[in-house]
Amino acid sequence: AQSVAQPEDQVNVAEGNPLTVKCTYSVSGNPYLFWYVQYPNRGLQFLLKYITGDNLVKGSYGFEAEFNKSQTSFHLKKPSALVSDSALYFCAVRVSTSYGKLTFGQGTILTVHP
Amino acid sequence: DAGVIQSPRHEVTEMGQEVTLRCKPISGHDYLFWYRQTMMRGLELLIYFNNNVPIDDSGMPEDRFSAKMPNASFSTLKIQPSEPRDSAVYFCASSALAGLFDEQFFGPGTRLTVL
Repeated sequence: AQSVAQPEDQVNVAEGNPLTVKCTYSVSGNPYLFWYVQYPNRGLQFLLKYITGDNLVKGSYGFEAEFNKSQTSFHLKKPSALVSDSALYFCAVRVSTSYGKLTFGQGTILTVHP
Repeated sequence: DAGVIQSPRHEVTEMGQEVTLRCKPISGHDYLFWYRQTMMRGLELLIYFNNNVPIDDSGMPEDRFSAKMPNASFSTLKIQPSEPRDSAVYFCASSALAGLFDEQFFGPGTRLTVL
C-alpha cells in the first residue's frame, strides 16, 4: 500500500524568508509525486510533479521540490515566501499499479506573516 | 477550457433528503474522481472512473452513497438518505488518459450542509 505523510500540520514563516513544507512517502515501486495548493473556498490546484529525471523540479509561483529517494522525501520549497503563499498544501503519490489514483497527505497549513 | 465544473456550489438540505451533486470533467479527460474533504478526515477519495467505468469505489462510505457516469462529460454523486455527518466539501477531479504522469484537475467543490 502507498502512503504519504506531512509531518507538520502548520508551518509559519516570515515574508521574504525561505519556506519548506515537508513530505515523506512510502510505496512499493517507483513513485510519482505531486504537490497541490488549496486556497480558502477553492479546489486544489496543481503546483508541480516529479516523474523521473532531475531530482529538483520547478513548478508554479516560484515553488520547487526536491526528490530524495534514499530519504523517501519530496519537500516543497520556495526561496522567498510571499504573504499570498498562505494556503493549505497537499503532497500526493501515485505508483504504476494504482493507475490514475492519487494518495494524498493530510495537508500542511502554510502561514506567511508580513 | 472551462475546467472541471461542479454544481451546485452550495447545498443545504435536511436529514433524510436525497442530494445529487454534479460534475462535468474537462473535455478529453478519461479519469474522473470524487473526493470528500472534512476537517476531521482530510481529503478522502470516494470513487473513481476510467472511461466511464467505476474502477475503485472502496472509499464510498456506505450504501447511501452512489455514483454514476453515464457519459464522458457528466457524473453524479448521490446521497440518499442524507445525514448530518455527510456535511463536507465534495470535489470532483479529472485527468487525462496517461493517468500515471498527468496531474488531476479539481473543480471548485460543492459545500454540502445537512441539517
